[in-house]
Amino acid sequence: TQLLEQSPQFLSIQEGENLTVYCNSSSVFSSLQWYRQEPGEGPVLLVTVVTGGEVKKLKRLTFQFGDARKDSSLHITAAQPGDTGLYLCAERDNNAGNMLTFGGGTRLMVKP
Amino acid sequence: ETGVTQSPTHLIKTRGQQVTLRCSSQSGHNTVSWYQQALGQGPQFIFQYYREEENGRGNFPPRFSGLQFPNYSSELNVNALELDDSALYLCASSLGGLAGAYEQYFGPGTRLTVT
Repeated sequence: TQLLEQSPQFLSIQEGENLTVYCNSSSVFSSLQWYRQEPGEGPVLLVTVVTGGEVKKLKRLTFQFGDARKDSSLHITAAQPGDTGLYLCAERDNNAGNMLTFGGGTRLMVKP
Repeated sequence: ETGVTQSPTHLIKTRGQQVTLRCSSQSGHNTVSWYQQALGQGPQFIFQYYREEENGRGNFPPRFSGLQFPNYSSELNVNALELDDSALYLCASSLGGLAGAYEQYFGPGTRLTVT
């Protein structure tokens, strides 16, 4: 079973700061997804990365997939209070019904 | 287009009781997956239904069971509730089910508390 470790578990920063959160695996990902979950809501997909070394940008969010496809990072530039939430990485198994294996998440709080 | 909906929003049950949670999939989706998210943790895959058949199961005991109906809505049933079953139960719908890169769309979840 794929084990996904996310770090840090908690992060509290001031508005305007930059941050990076990490997702590491015990084995190679088939494809990796990042989600954000707000209190009382289900996770919402931010991005899917498939190719080693891939970099994707979504406004102030930059997602990077490691060359060996065993790790990924999410960098947020100039964080805003609206970025507050639980950031989850998940492996999607395309050959098993797209089943998702999630990491434990990074809980981010951005203070105004 | 209607998104994924779940009912009830919150539920309190006593240890040993049985519970049924419901999920309506997004329009056009034929696959429903259920996840359990304990407090402070990431979601854990329970099982998936594709065209009314179970299509995969995570590491959960048989007292966790499910159904999918012809309209692709789904139920999650948990028998003999235990305190550790207290969690947010998430339903996600998607197209496909066997292979292919289909995205899952999550509902808001049902918060179950077992006392």
